[in-house]
Amino acid sequence: NAGVTQTPKFQVLKTGQSMTLQCAQDMNHEYMSWYRQDPGMGLRLIHYSVGAGITDQGEVPNGYNVSRSTTEDFPLRLLSAAPSQTSVYFCATRQGWTEAFFGQGTRLTVV
Amino acid sequence: GQQLNQSPQSMFIQEGEDVSMNCTSSSIFNTWLWYKQDPGEGPVLLIALYKAGELTSNGRLTAQFGITRKDSFLNISASIPSDVGIYFCAGQLDAGNNRKLIWGLGTSLAVNP
Repeated sequence: NAGVTQTPKFQVLKTGQSMTLQCAQDMNHEYMSWYRQDPGMGLRLIHYSVGAGITDQGEVPNGYNVSRSTTEDFPLRLLSAAPSQTSVYFCATRQGWTEAFFGQGTRLTVV
Repeated sequence: GQQLNQSPQSMFIQEGEDVSMNCTSSSIFNTWLWYKQDPGEGPVLLIALYKAGELTSNGRLTAQFGITRKDSFLNISASIPSDVGIYFCAGQLDAGNNRKLIWGLGTSLAVNP
């Protein structure tokens, strides 16, 4: 079982570049979410989706876009990368009401 | 944003010892969750608690949902080296699809074999 797959695992961007972090799941879970994890800040919710075609903002959405065209995929787009977006990004799916499955993370550095 | 108070921040123990950690909040939660994160990996859900006073075990791990609904505890008995990692608590507010998690900052556990 693959569960939640995130790509890439590591990425270095220059300020101003754009990129898409990929997240795919094979569990047919309706709810998917993106978090960022920073030292001393814990995990913070960026965007979430309760199903295909439906997305909403989390706690720290600025600078990020999402879309959900299929149940399986929930990509996170950085429009114009900034050093403040250097972080570890996690995609998660929800089983019932609980964030039960996380991907391995994407470690992003913006220089 | 809102965060939970998780303590201790770090622990260094001998293999075989029992471990206790806790989370407190000024808010009432409907759900308490405990996760473990290994280096370079995403969090893994250990235990989910859905009712005040609930006591739930998962192997050597036991967690409790506080009666006031403002706190939760995680105990690990007879620790082993693979228990090393960061343990996070999370509380869940609201109802319906808009339930969001509030996270603690983690307890880092080191086990001396």
